[in-house]
Amino acid sequence: QSALTQPASVSGSPGQSITISCTGSSSDVGGYNYVSWYQQHPGKAPKLIIFDVSQRPSGISYRFSGSKSGNTASLTISGLQAEDEADYHCCSYADITTLFGGGTRLTVL
Amino acid sequence: QLQLQESGPGLVKPSETLSLTCTVSGGSIISSSYFWVWIRQPPGKGLEWIATISYSGTPYYNPSLKGRVTISVDTSKNQFSLSLTSVTAADTAVYYCARYSYKPTNWFDPWGQGSLVTVSS
Repeated sequence: QSALTQPASVSGSPGQSITISCTGSSSDVGGYNYVSWYQQHPGKAPKLIIFDVSQRPSGISYRFSGSKSGNTASLTISGLQAEDEADYHCCSYADITTLFGGGTRLTVL
Repeated sequence: QLQLQESGPGLVKPSETLSLTCTVSGGSIISSSYFWVWIRQPPGKGLEWIATISYSGTPYYNPSLKGRVTISVDTSKNQFSLSLTSVTAADTAVYYCARYSYKPTNWFDPWGQGSLVTVSS
């Protein structure tokens, strides 16, 4: 199975909202409500920010939200802050395996 | 809180075997609710799931790596390990261990800090 498809980069100004897409297939993203998102700052380990498509772990800002339509999941970050500049990875359960996207670099202008 | 720490050689020669251990602290590896995984990230690239294991030792492997990968668990030491044989430069990556929740919720958390393994002669 192929990796999930994410845009290589997105950017936005402080205070704005951005959305990162994650496209898979009916065998992964579209077939299960098991999409998660991870934030990764340079040189650091990934950090869970969204699970089960739209659930936020304790301690994660309400500015982060997730959704899904068909085979595409999305991560929206509202009220952009400088500290949001990082790489974002989507992930989907796919029965016998687990797939990740290629990652999206978010630049806060 | 639960913490994971990878350990192992940072340099492995081509065709040899890569071996890493993940030590779990702040909680027990014996849990019917969670599994334990290895994930890697080549320099400048995305994440790739490698393998998953339950505390009882049942393994699950990425089909693209199956045949070269072995994951094992040592509950007496609160550790689990990864072995990857016949390595090439393409196996150069930061290797992470993490806790995995399968059902009813699905996520990886927390992650270890990562261990860079370079394959080079």
